[in-house]
Amino acid sequence: NAGVMQNPRHLVRRRGQEARLRCSPMKGHSHVYWYRQLPEEGLKFMVYLQKENIIDESGMPKERFSAEFPKEGPSILRIQQVVRGDSAAYFCASSPLKGLAGGAEQFFGPGTRLTVL
Amino acid sequence: LAKTTQPISMDSYEGQEVNITCSHNNIATNDYITWYQQFPSQGPRFIIQGYKTKVTNEVASLFIPADRKSSTLSLPRVSLSDTAVYYCLVAPNSGGYQKVTFGIGTKLQVIP
Repeated sequence: NAGVMQNPRHLVRRRGQEARLRCSPMKGHSHVYWYRQLPEEGLKFMVYLQKENIIDESGMPKERFSAEFPKEGPSILRIQQVVRGDSAAYFCASSPLKGLAGGAEQFFGPGTRLTVL
Repeated sequence: LAKTTQPISMDSYEGQEVNITCSHNNIATNDYITWYQQFPSQGPRFIIQGYKTKVTNEVASLFIPADRKSSTLSLPRVSLSDTAVYYCLVAPNSGGYQKVTFGIGTKLQVIP
């Protein structure tokens, strides 16, 4: 059973370009989370999605950022018109619906490191 | 979300038991305590989760006192491969998931 897969692992964009980050959850998981980690900082929650639904996007910047998790295919985090401040590691996690009493354990992917020139 | 405070870094020799304490003075009644481990250039990995008293699994133990204002992650006989950042999280079960933000964590360095 493959773990959470993210691609690309490294992405370089120039200011103003678009960045698309992909995440394939673990088999059998229908819940996806995206996090952002700035250098020397912890991970910050961005968005939680289920298939075809955004459940909680309270951590997403209001502009330029969007996320989707279509019925078929991976979850996509899209950043339009990137700026230097978007440079960070973006992690995706997935979980099954049922799990621990405190909340389903989240399984993280290896991350995508975005560099904006 | 309850704020957590943990040491920024710790050093330990191989073979020793390591205890990392996390303070969460304003923990809410429905909050759970979860610990994750992160190696460089990797995503975090779940270690253990608890609500009160003691929880043990094959990797670690989690001790939570009655007032739940702190918790201690205990790693028995650490090895060099346990060198990582350890995050303490406090959050409620929000319909099957935890909406969490990871703090800076505790950077554990295991010394040979």
